[in-house]
Amino acid sequence: DAEITQSPRHKITETGRQVTLACHQTWNHNNMFWYRQDLGHGLRLIHYSYGVQDTNKGEVSDGYSVSRSNTEDLPLTLESAASSQTSVYFCASKGTNTGELFFGEGSRLTVL
Amino acid sequence: RKEVEQDPGPFNVPEGATVAFNCTYSNSASQSFFWYRQDCRKEPKLLMSVYSSGNEDGRFTAQLNRASQYISLLIRDSKLSDSATYLCVVNPSGDMRFGAGTRLTVKP
Repeated sequence: DAEITQSPRHKITETGRQVTLACHQTWNHNNMFWYRQDLGHGLRLIHYSYGVQDTNKGEVSDGYSVSRSNTEDLPLTLESAASSQTSVYFCASKGTNTGELFFGEGSRLTVL
Repeated sequence: RKEVEQDPGPFNVPEGATVAFNCTYSNSASQSFFWYRQDCRKEPKLLMSVYSSGNEDGRFTAQLNRASQYISLLIRDSKLSDSATYLCVVNPSGDMRFGAGTRLTVKP
């Protein structure tokens, strides 16, 4: 069965370190998204991609970057982690002609 | 102003009750709309799409009012298993934007 997986599921890091969260989908979807979820804010869009070599900024993109070198993967990088980036991160993918987002199980990141 | 706004609740209702959630969006160019459900500490999952003419799926009814930029979700005959957070989702231009969610607890 097709799926979308995130790793690591849990990570603790220190302020200033670079962190990369992996997202891999086997749906062959062109569209991929990264969200963060915090109490009181719901899911906020960080970056998204419509296909290979395409990336776009979402509403809370500062301090994050993504790259899309193939269809399956959209890694999210925190260049210099800050305590404000402590959150649960969800990756999602979507087919071109459908509105349904398929989510990974989430990655819980703590920045100390 | 947030792009998608929802009443955060919480809504605490008895089993069998009817409950309605509302959502407003700011981008009038938005083309597609959805309701997602999220259980505690889990990923969101699609509950239903929202069509212009309104649509029903069992006990769930979704409505769209484009003129008022307003979406609603009605749950009839609430079950304990309906307890979750309900997220309104709007697609303004290919990027999917979420409301903060409305928390529902159905009690025996």
